Amino acid sequence: DVKVTQSSRYLVKRTGEKVFLECVQDMDHENMFWYRQDPGLGLRLIYFSYDVKMKEKGDIPEGYSVSREKKERFSLILESASTNQTSMYLCASSSRGGPSTDTQYFGPGTRLTVL
Amino acid sequence: EDKVVQSPLSLVVHEGDTVTLNCSYEVTNFRSLLWYKQEKKAPTFLFMLTSSGIEKKSGRLSSILDKKELSSILNITATQTGDSAIYLCAVGTSGSRLTFGEGTQLTVNP
Repeated sequence: DVKVTQSSRYLVKRTGEKVFLECVQDMDHENMFWYRQDPGLGLRLIYFSYDVKMKEKGDIPEGYSVSREKKERFSLILESASTNQTSMYLCASSSRGGPSTDTQYFGPGTRLTVL
Repeated sequence: EDKVVQSPLSLVVHEGDTVTLNCSYEVTNFRSLLWYKQEKKAPTFLFMLTSSGIEKKSGRLSSILDKKELSSILNITATQTGDSAIYLCAVGTSGSRLTFGEGTQLTVNP
């Protein structure tokens, strides 16, 4: 069964703190993605990775960085958290190939609040 | 810039009603269109439609892709309270990326 896990369901941090969000998938997928979801804005892509040590900017990368040292793990880093980064963060993974592999499988999400 | 638009943004119906959710897109390098259901957690996959599979059905849910009109509909017949959720439409383009619409919030009242 497909499984994507995220390190925390809920997280509260203070402005200026460094925040790490971790995502692990057990499907041997090549592609991994980080999104944030906000009311009225839908899911927006922050960063994605096609392979170990590879990363690509998504639509809203400012204020974020990522790390992919192992195939199954993709980390999102907020170098200095700000209140406008309060959001639901979703990780997803998919395999590489033609259109039939476009399905992304999502983790349960981390609701981050920055005070 | 790739764009996916869903309508309506929210919908309230009674149990037993039939609903139609709409998704239109403007993207380069279309590969697929996907529907997801999101309750109070992660989106779960419903359907994928591609050029080689423009209609899908599963129980009370069905979906059609209209490549000429650059749109898709998701139909839910005989709605139940458990169908209450956000329904997300996403379009797959080159590089395995998905572009999501805003979602339709469906509420089914008993």
